Amino acid sequence: EAGVAQSPRYKIIEKRQSVAFWCNPISGHATLYWYQQILGQGPKLLIQFQNNGVVDDSQLPKDRFSAERLKGVDSTLKIQPAKLEDSAVYLCASSLDRGWKTQYFGPGTRLLVL
Amino acid sequence: DQQVKQNSPSLSVQEGRISILNCDYTNSMFDYFLWYKKYPAEGPTFLISISSIKDKNEDGRFTVFLNKSAKHLSLHIVPSQPGDSAVYFCAASVEKSGGGADGLTFGKGTHLIIQP
Repeated sequence: EAGVAQSPRYKIIEKRQSVAFWCNPISGHATLYWYQQILGQGPKLLIQFQNNGVVDDSQLPKDRFSAERLKGVDSTLKIQPAKLEDSAVYLCASSLDRGWKTQYFGPGTRLLVL
Repeated sequence: DQQVKQNSPSLSVQEGRISILNCDYTNSMFDYFLWYKKYPAEGPTFLISISSIKDKNEDGRFTVFLNKSAKHLSLHIVPSQPGDSAVYFCAASVEKSGGGADGLTFGKGTHLIIQP
């Protein structure tokens, strides 16, 4: 069974530029999560999707971050414009359904904002 | 306000001995707890979990203990092996009314180093 796929693996941009990350969850997984992991911290939930609907985006900085999962499969997370403090690893995870508490993580996208 | 705390940033254990990683939480609504293991440049990998209705769950060399009254859980690895060297994250979730689970709340992690 293929795992959660993410791209790109690394990205370096200058502040005020835009960036987008892509995630393909495990086949059949209805629930998809985006986490932000700043160096030295644990992952922090940004947004949770159930199929193509948003379940929880309470910790998403909506003035600059946006995410979508249009067809209920792949998802993109965008930052526009980026700030220095957005430098982090962005992790995508999926689970079979909302009632399934074990989440499976992708390798992450490491973002450096200069 | 950290709801899940791992107070030991690192832990060094000799190969073959027991590794004990600790985790404390403050939110009494948490009802499911998980441990994840993370190698450099990889995403976290699920290791073991425990529901709040249990006080122990065992899977091979890994055992998780939950003390609800103390809001404390621990992960025991016996015997410790070199491949266990990684960062271990404690995570917790709350079951929402109507079913379903929240996203996970993670601790900062403990870097376990197994010495030969």
